[in-house]
Amino acid sequence: SQQGEEDPQALSIQEGENATMNCSYKTSINNLQWYRQNSGRGLVHLILIRSNEREKHSGRLRVTLDTSKKSSSLLITASRAADTASYFCATDLNTGGFKTIFGAGTRLFVKA
Amino acid sequence: EAQVTQNPRYLITVTGKKLTVTCSQNMNHEYMSWYRQDPGLGLRQIYYSMNVEVTDKGDVPEGYKVSRKEKRNFPLILESPSPNQTSLYFCASSLARQGYEQYFGPGTRLTVT
Repeated sequence: SQQGEEDPQALSIQEGENATMNCSYKTSINNLQWYRQNSGRGLVHLILIRSNEREKHSGRLRVTLDTSKKSSSLLITASRAADTASYFCATDLNTGGFKTIFGAGTRLFVKA
Repeated sequence: EAQVTQNPRYLITVTGKKLTVTCSQNMNHEYMSWYRQDPGLGLRQIYYSMNVEVTDKGDVPEGYKVSRKEKRNFPLILESPSPNQTSLYFCASSLARQGYEQYFGPGTRLTVT
């Protein structure tokens, strides 16, 4: 079964609004990363948060990590039409090898 | 320019005909990985490599082989492709095994008929 699961599966908002996506995972992790994918193209790294960190910012992005709840959230503030993409969380496991597990993603549509 | 390249970008083949998808990175990265992406399932890791001659299975390795003879190259081999291997494939690399961002190639869309 998948380690990371994003919620919601799809999100449609107006330009200027904030978008929040959530990720839950099942087992212990070393790091959690968020990636963005535009329409079937390669993924682009957005932000990495380590297991001993609780919050991280990068421009209009804010990521939180709650290891007790095994969950993370990605907040995009003041969304733009160009933010329309799919967003994935990825977890680096700290048991059973050095796998990276991706969730199924959240599709964000920002209406101009 | 730092990049991960994959070839071919598109491939249509028939069941049982061996094929190789090449992946190359120019960043001297240790860690390389192959993923497949299917609708509704996100990316699933096929194989990864922590360095030359060191490879290990991901979550969905059945039907695939890899090799890492040089640091920059990590080809994915399908010895006898089947229709359930029709998918979008991505190669990725990162500086080290964990805790570093992965750089993704542009993807290879494979159709097996």
